Amino acid sequence: DAGVTQSPTHLIKTRGQQVTLRCSPKSGHDTVSWYQQALGQGPQFIFQYYEEEERQRGNFPDRFSGHQFPNYSSELNVNALLLGDSALYLCASRPGTGLFSTEAFFGQGTRLTVV
Amino acid sequence: AQRVTQPEKLLSVFKGAPVELKCNYSYSGSPELFWYVQYSRQRLQLLLRHISRESIKGFTADLNKGETSFHLKKPFAQEEDSAMYYCALVARAGSYQLTFGKGTKLSVIP
Repeated sequence: DAGVTQSPTHLIKTRGQQVTLRCSPKSGHDTVSWYQQALGQGPQFIFQYYEEEERQRGNFPDRFSGHQFPNYSSELNVNALLLGDSALYLCASRPGTGLFSTEAFFGQGTRLTVV
Repeated sequence: AQRVTQPEKLLSVFKGAPVELKCNYSYSGSPELFWYVQYSRQRLQLLLRHISRESIKGFTADLNKGETSFHLKKPFAQEEDSAMYYCALVARAGSYQLTFGKGTKLSVIP
């Protein structure tokens, strides 16, 4: 099991552009969450997907949107990129058992640089 | 809104010395508390959670609801403990939202 995989690993975009990041959850997991980690900060929750629907959302603008596919993989889309969107974007998966204390497994992240 | 505070950005200790990484939280309810660790060039991974009341790699953490703290402790630090440590909480049942602190970098000096 490769665990949670994210692509691409690094990305450079220009301000105003749009970007799509991808995540494949760990085998057997059906819940995917996305986090933004700015330099020197802890990860910040963006949103969580389960059964192809956004179930919970953090304090992020509508420029941040996502999608979950029937195979449980997920995409994070960011429109109208700002310099402040430069960060490491982490994907985390876990089984949707309803037990919130279950372990979240994280991917290696995608490093997004906006210039 | 919930908040997690880790007051130390960097903590340096000598090998064999005791380690305590501090974590304080603010939340009016009864959260679930976790410690996540990130070793160099590795992904973020769960170290321990308070409901398990277990010791992992010699680390323990006790939830003190009165002081709203969840400090991570180890009696004798090892070089392989050098890593970034994040304290996190989940605020309510049914939520998957982890709220993280800013992290503490632990450096164990040989």
